[in-house]
Amino acid sequence: SQTIHQWPATLVQPVGSPLSLECTVEGTSNPNLYWYRQAAGRGLQLLFYSVGIGQISSEVPQNLSASRPQDRQFILSSKKLLLSDSGFYLCAWSVGGRTEAFFGQGTRLTVV
Amino acid sequence: SQQGEEDPQALSIQEGENATMNCSYKTSINNLQWYRQNSGRGLVHLILIRSNEREKHSGRLRVTLDTSKKSSSLLITASRAADTASYFCATGSYNNNDMRFGAGTRLTVKP
Repeated sequence: SQTIHQWPATLVQPVGSPLSLECTVEGTSNPNLYWYRQAAGRGLQLLFYSVGIGQISSEVPQNLSASRPQDRQFILSSKKLLLSDSGFYLCAWSVGGRTEAFFGQGTRLTVV
Repeated sequence: SQQGEEDPQALSIQEGENATMNCSYKTSINNLQWYRQNSGRGLVHLILIRSNEREKHSGRLRVTLDTSKKSSSLLITASRAADTASYFCATGSYNNNDMRFGAGTRLTVKP
């Protein structure tokens, strides 16, 4: 069966520090991968999506970047965190982009 | 940018009542999906309706889709306290593989 792992669950980082959040998927090949950010009590903002290794689509200009070094690995990074980067980050995968998506449990990032 | 917009933003009902949430979107879609999120957790897929479908049922859930109005509704019948959560619609487009969510409806079911 397919599973998705996202870690860490919570993270507190100082302003200006780097960030690396990792998401891995098991049990499927060539998934579409997504990174979303959710502000408290709000909807999900699509940050990046990827349809294949090395292929990254960015939805909004920001302080973050994403990479897909392997088929089932999706990494969200920042060189220098801002206070506004705080939020709940969710990784998800789907097959072909036209079926249901499966979400990780999320990472709550607090930038202090 | 977000695609779907749900209303109401918040809904509070008594156990046993029905809950109806609506979603509107802006562009052509291939499918529309509804998800549920318990506080501080990931989203769980509830139901998917394709653009050529008008209504779909799954247990106590009923979803309708009106592509002419670019809107969908989610009905939860005979609600339970355990249905308390946030509900989101998401749209999938024909031309790319992105999946965009609305702002969600926060449902509270009082026992």
